[in-house]
Amino acid sequence: GAVVSQHPSWVICKSGTSVKIECRSLDFQATTMFWYRQFPKQSLMLMATSNEGSKATYEQGVEKDKFLINHASLTLSTLTVTSAHPEDSSFYICSASQGRDYNEQFFGPGTRLTVL
Amino acid sequence: GQNIDQPTEMTATEGAIVQINCTYQTSGFNGLFWYQQHAGEAPTFLSYNVLDGLEEKGRFSSFLSRSKGYSYLLLKELQMKDSASYLCAVQDSNYQLIWGAGTKLIIKP
Repeated sequence: GAVVSQHPSWVICKSGTSVKIECRSLDFQATTMFWYRQFPKQSLMLMATSNEGSKATYEQGVEKDKFLINHASLTLSTLTVTSAHPEDSSFYICSASQGRDYNEQFFGPGTRLTVL
Repeated sequence: GQNIDQPTEMTATEGAIVQINCTYQTSGFNGLFWYQQHAGEAPTFLSYNVLDGLEEKGRFSSFLSRSKGYSYLLLKELQMKDSASYLCAVQDSNYQLIWGAGTKLIIKP
């Protein structure tokens, strides 16, 4: 099956620092990668959609200068949370899809970010 | 606007059957997905429906009626490990997934 990995699985950082999260599709080429945020006891919230080699499309209310997304290859996308604050503490999940028509998304295991 | 509705929480008994409903209003339709998410974990794929009817996969079945904008996920022979949130997601005309808020299913012995 299609496997997506995320690294790190959890991270604790100080307020004001930046954190980079990697998302990799291990056994397939991901045409599109998605970044989600999930607060406790809430549903997934799509942050942005990225296609390899092009700029990410951010959802309304998501600051693109704060959440930097790079999708440099068909197997790797990164999310950098810049100048993190305690309110950015959340569960960040990436997913990847192989094509456009059948949009099954394969999810990474998620990254738990805690900002002190 | 686009909208996916599903119950917030349901409770069922181990060994029983439960049906989780999902209704949707979206800009176009290119398929409906059900995902399972255990607390603290990422969602995992359960089923995909694009044509009307019932898709059966072991203890889980998913039904779709496009004319009614309605789907349900049916879980049989419930086990304690089925306690999780179940997410309904619809792929719209732009192939974007629109997510429901999820239904938290609590299984009691």
